[in-house]
Amino acid sequence: DQQVKQNSPSLSVQEGRISILNCDYTNSMFDYFLWYKKYPAEGPTFLISISSIKDKNEDGRFTVFLNKSAKHLSLHIVPSQPGDSAVYFCASRRSSGDKLTFGTGTRLAVRP
Amino acid sequence: DTGVSQNPRHKITKRGQNVTFRCDPISEHNRLYWYRQTLGQGPEFLTYFQNEAQLEKSRLLSDRFSAERPKGSFSTLEIQRTEQGDSAMYLCASSSRADTIYFGEGSWLTVV
Repeated sequence: DQQVKQNSPSLSVQEGRISILNCDYTNSMFDYFLWYKKYPAEGPTFLISISSIKDKNEDGRFTVFLNKSAKHLSLHIVPSQPGDSAVYFCASRRSSGDKLTFGTGTRLAVRP
Repeated sequence: DTGVSQNPRHKITKRGQNVTFRCDPISEHNRLYWYRQTLGQGPEFLTYFQNEAQLEKSRLLSDRFSAERPKGSFSTLEIQRTEQGDSAMYLCASSSRADTIYFGEGSWLTVV
């Protein structure tokens, strides 16, 4: 039962353009959503998060959008840089302190 | 703040041997999590501590796995009688009362 889904295993984007990574969830009890970035052989690094009471959160080049009715969130990176090339994981949880449930990740490649 | 520290970073062991991983969370973080990640998958939840109390265990955590956090600070994850299917990256994470969970760099286990 995959409660968090990232249906695109990979994405390739030209440097300077926008990268859009998508995530869908099925559990309506999820109320907090996070994006993590992961390089090979390293642990996930926290990127940005959003609470279910918001529909948008922005931090520099990164913006996360949440559509609760569609149970969908997306991460926008603009402008994309080669250093953004990594695997991006979407994660969700039901309540404060609860465990995270992760998607399977999307590998982003930013071409110079 | 030195981040979440895990050791050893890499472990190669023969099938049937026992292995133990250690995690030192971010100081003052009272919540500590263990996850496992295999190739092509997102991190999967194993277990969770609040202070020294183990509050939740995944069904992925067979009776060969045991985790402890005796003084509410560092934690250990022991795998007894290792099997080849145990080969994975074992991730430790910690959080405070805030919502963000921070991960360590992981411990790679290879069972031969």
